[in-house]
Amino acid sequence: GENVEQHPSTLSVQEGDSAVIKCTYSDSASNYFPWYKQELGKRPQLIIDIRSNVGEKKDQRIAVTLNKTAKHFSLHITETQPEDSAVYFCAAPTPDSSYKLIFGSGTRLLVRP
Amino acid sequence: NAGVTQTPKFQVLKTGQSMTLQCAQDMNHNSMYWYRQDPGMGLRLIYYSASEGTTDKGEVPNGYNVSRLNKREFSLRLESAAPSQTSVYFCASSSRGGQPQHFGDGTRLSIL
Repeated sequence: GENVEQHPSTLSVQEGDSAVIKCTYSDSASNYFPWYKQELGKRPQLIIDIRSNVGEKKDQRIAVTLNKTAKHFSLHITETQPEDSAVYFCAAPTPDSSYKLIFGSGTRLLVRP
Repeated sequence: NAGVTQTPKFQVLKTGQSMTLQCAQDMNHNSMYWYRQDPGMGLRLIYYSASEGTTDKGEVPNGYNVSRLNKREFSLRLESAAPSQTSVYFCASSSRGGQPQHFGDGTRLSIL
């Protein structure tokens, strides 16, 4: 069945350092691959996505890369700040429907001041 | 502009009881979704509605039903609640298919 693996499960970095979170998927419909940020007790927020025909996308301190051949995509956060501390989820569409996202299990990022 | 509004925010049920979770969006989005999130886990899709008048099963539909009442509203019903349905339920909407763009604050549901 469809599966999305996300690593690492926890990540602790010093403020100002970079953080990288990686996801692999087993199979997917061609569409968008989104990333979500969820602060403790709050709603998930869509922070960035990448289309399946694009290799890289940047938005200020956040960038995502996608390698469709290898079936993996990554989130890069540069110059991390304490407010970046949250759980981050990747997601990939299932092969049968772009409406059905399979989420990774999440990465808890802690940015130490 | 409220975005996605869910009611109630908290609910405790006894096994076998029924209830409906309400969701409304004011962004004129075509697509709406219901997800559940169990502790320490990612979101799992229960049902989605690609557009008004259509609904489809997601990853974990058993034990649930949905109604897309109109473009704004998408409700989730538990006909006979079970302890395994204890979870946080999120409603979401999007202007394009596939990825939810805006989430509600969630409904924390406990079933005893």
